[in-house]
Amino acid sequence: DVQLLESGGDWLQPGGSLRLSCSGFGFTFKNYAITWVRQAPGKGLHWVSTITYSGVSTFYADSVKGRFTISRDNSKNTVYLQMSGLRVDDTATYYCAKLGDDDAFDVWGQGTLVTVSS
Amino acid sequence: EIVLTQSPGTLSLAPGERATLSCRASQTISTNQIGWYQQKAGQAPRLLTYGLSGRATGLPDRFSGSGSGTDFTLTIARLEPEDFAVYYCQHLDSKGTFGQGTRLE
Repeated sequence: DVQLLESGGDWLQPGGSLRLSCSGFGFTFKNYAITWVRQAPGKGLHWVSTITYSGVSTFYADSVKGRFTISRDNSKNTVYLQMSGLRVDDTATYYCAKLGDDDAFDVWGQGTLVTVSS
Repeated sequence: EIVLTQSPGTLSLAPGERATLSCRASQTISTNQIGWYQQKAGQAPRLLTYGLSGRATGLPDRFSGSGSGTDFTLTIARLEPEDFAVYYCQHLDSKGTFGQGTRLE
């Protein structure tokens, strides 16, 4: 089975830092771009960041640029999202997804919850 | 930046009826750059259709995507009870912009 598994979600105060992980199983991880999408409680989906299969290129939403860093370790089949300067409005479930044909997000993880609150 | 606007916000239908969900882009986009997703409560989104004719593995025939230019549509031919969920369209580019969603109830 092709699967993605996120981890690292937590509760923390504004200004804090956190690293999320996304591990892939059942496919050749190093061949695929991986993306992060977040969903605030009761709200819609918002793209956060994408990293290409090799890790050479990265892309960020304006709302997280300069605060979040995406990276990957293909030897561990894992993508990371390092988040710093966290704000209350970063509170969300963070999903990672694999990019397939036409860059559609064809496999999703189950999500990990990040809560930023004082 | 392209903005996707979905309508209606909520669509109330009964099982067996036909559902038509709209997604309008603020600029012309390529047909192979639209994707549709379904999200049920408490679950991760699921890819439905994408590009010119792409379909997720195992997707029932009653789901179909169409459109061009700025107007795109997801049609569910005959609603089954499990189809009641929130649906999102997405621009399949480096920014992956989503529409705000349509709730099908």
